[in-house]
Amino acid sequence: DTAVSQTPKYLVTQMGNDKSIKCEQNLGHDTMYWYKQDSKKFLKIMFSYNNKELIINETVPNRFSPKSPDKAHLNLHINSLELGDSAVYFCASSLRGYEQYFGPGTRLTVT
Amino acid sequence: RKEVEQDPGPFNVPEGATVAFNCTYSNSASQSFFWYRQDCRKEPKLLMSVYSSGNEDGRFTAQLNRASQYISLLIRDSKLSDSATYLCAVNIPGTYKYIFGTGTRLKVLA
Repeated sequence: DTAVSQTPKYLVTQMGNDKSIKCEQNLGHDTMYWYKQDSKKFLKIMFSYNNKELIINETVPNRFSPKSPDKAHLNLHINSLELGDSAVYFCASSLRGYEQYFGPGTRLTVT
Repeated sequence: RKEVEQDPGPFNVPEGATVAFNCTYSNSASQSFFWYRQDCRKEPKLLMSVYSSGNEDGRFTAQLNRASQYISLLIRDSKLSDSATYLCAVNIPGTYKYIFGTGTRLKVLA
């Protein structure tokens, strides 16, 4: 019955590696988001897709590439991981941009 | 002025107390506002929407003050389980984008 799910929950990797995080929602929402929450707990939006179309693309290094194969899925691929990428990444979804529901988060640690 | 600002706290209150947090926003055209609750090492969870007319859900009341550009969250009869960080979210007009505040930490003490 999970509404918004993410995998993996934890990700520990070395600098320079490439990794992906996956997100799925079963709420029938049309909009999905990626957020980054850093060590200071600031929740910052990175990307958003509405009906598979990219509608929000914040100032994020181009090592980060989102992909939405359909309305229910939004993935995040990160190339050449850096120490500063360590954070918790949250996926969220909403209907027409209203209240957002968050996934459990992916805790990324780059060593 | 920051787009969205919250007092980080912590607000330490005894059980049973009433506590209120504010969240100020800079864009006077913002139309949608929400309060979220985030427990340690968990995801933000939607607590309530904030309507122009105010919104009450049990012990929680959310209000909007457009003139002064802030929203508020009032918690009555605080419980230990209310201890968490409370985040406000404010819409950027004409977009699906929300700016989140940095959160206000609440500790309810026995």
